[in-house]
Amino acid sequence: DTGVSQNPRHKITKRGQNVTFRCDPISEHNRLYWYRQTLGQGPEFLTYFQNEAQLEKSRLLSDRFSAERPKGSFSTLEIQRTEQGDSAMYLCASSFSPNLQGVGYGYTFGSGTRLTVV
Amino acid sequence: GDSVTQMEGPVTLSEEAFLTINCTYTATGYPSLFWYVQYPGEGLQLLLKATKADDKGSNKGFEATYRKETTSFHLEKGSVQVSDSAVYFCALNAGGTSYGKLTFGQGTILTVHP
Repeated sequence: DTGVSQNPRHKITKRGQNVTFRCDPISEHNRLYWYRQTLGQGPEFLTYFQNEAQLEKSRLLSDRFSAERPKGSFSTLEIQRTEQGDSAMYLCASSFSPNLQGVGYGYTFGSGTRLTVV
Repeated sequence: GDSVTQMEGPVTLSEEAFLTINCTYTATGYPSLFWYVQYPGEGLQLLLKATKADDKGSNKGFEATYRKETTSFHLEKGSVQVSDSAVYFCALNAGGTSYGKLTFGQGTILTVHP
């Protein structure tokens, strides 16, 4: 078990460019979450997958953001036409749950991808 | 909506001092409550949790009791060490249709000096 893996660790991009981040959850986990954390703040929920189904999206997830989890394994988060306000740490987490209730078991965060938009 | 409020930081203590970090919450229903810790350069780690009123979560000398009457989940440790220096986050899961979503407080930076 190598934990939740996120790539890249750091990404610097110019305003207006598209970026994509990848998250590899713990292999037996069926749930996957994305959060965003800005400096001096706690993580804020963005979206959540149960297997390959995206079941909830935050209002923070504007139409420039899209997340996928094909085949219920790894997930990608894409930001189109990046803005300086998108600069943040993007965190991925995974857990296992046999149903839709609660947080499940083994809720584990990755180390995050730090995005800087210049 | 659901929210978590933590005491303002940063908190600076000497080794072996007593630690309290206050956390209060607003939520409908019966949330589960959590404390997470983030050490420098590392990801968030679950420190402890409590799933119902009057439950006490504990781990590594840290404790927190779920107080429904005061909607609080304060973190305490009797004797802090330099290695406890980190950022501490209080969080809740509102249950029901919130699935596994966690709502976090803004975090409290703890620095412990020898």
